Amino acid sequence: SAVISQKPSRDICQRGTSLTIQCQVDSQVTMMFWYRQQPGQSLTLIATANQGSEATYESGFVIDKFPISRPNLTFSTLTVSNMSPEDSSIYLCSVGRGTYQETQYFGPGTRLLVL
Amino acid sequence: ELKVEQNPLFLSMQEGKNYTIYCNYSTTSDRLYWYRQDPGKSLESLFVLLSNGAVKQEGRLMASLDTKARLSTLHITAAVHDLSATYFCAVDMISGYALNFGKGTSLLVTP
Repeated sequence: SAVISQKPSRDICQRGTSLTIQCQVDSQVTMMFWYRQQPGQSLTLIATANQGSEATYESGFVIDKFPISRPNLTFSTLTVSNMSPEDSSIYLCSVGRGTYQETQYFGPGTRLLVL
Repeated sequence: ELKVEQNPLFLSMQEGKNYTIYCNYSTTSDRLYWYRQDPGKSLESLFVLLSNGAVKQEGRLMASLDTKARLSTLHITAAVHDLSATYFCAVDMISGYALNFGKGTSLLVTP
């Protein structure tokens, strides 16, 4: 298994501001993923973060809005920039385990409310 | 574009009854995941199905995978209230190891 922690666990922010979410894993992983879960909805992949390379963003998500850092094999950050109420969501990081990342674990999530 | 469809999206069932949740996906994939999410919580991994014909069971839940039909099922046997949660299936994205999720099935088990 994998132990994943996220900070903050929740936050209330004003529109126009930015929030950086941290994800820490208990052991080294190659790939980390960031997902968004809007209220009452399913999960949508924002980007894949590999250490030592630029994050790969999914359609509809851009680096200027969601910059990601991956400074080492156990840590990543996701910033939600210039927030609007539409950014109110749960943001989750996940990691894969196994030769082919066949088991994927999720962090506890960061619950963001933008006013 | 990989699409993952679950049905039903909402399910209310009585304790002791059996039911099946279905997960269809649109393109070839070798891995199918089932997760459980309780209100206000993160996702808990239930099953990872890695090959055609795979069947896994844990307690009252049993999952199966038919890669030819692009179909997975999550069968609930003799439901109990503790199974009330939202269940998601997910499939590997074509471009990598990230997951493409279905919309989830919100299950409520009533006395």
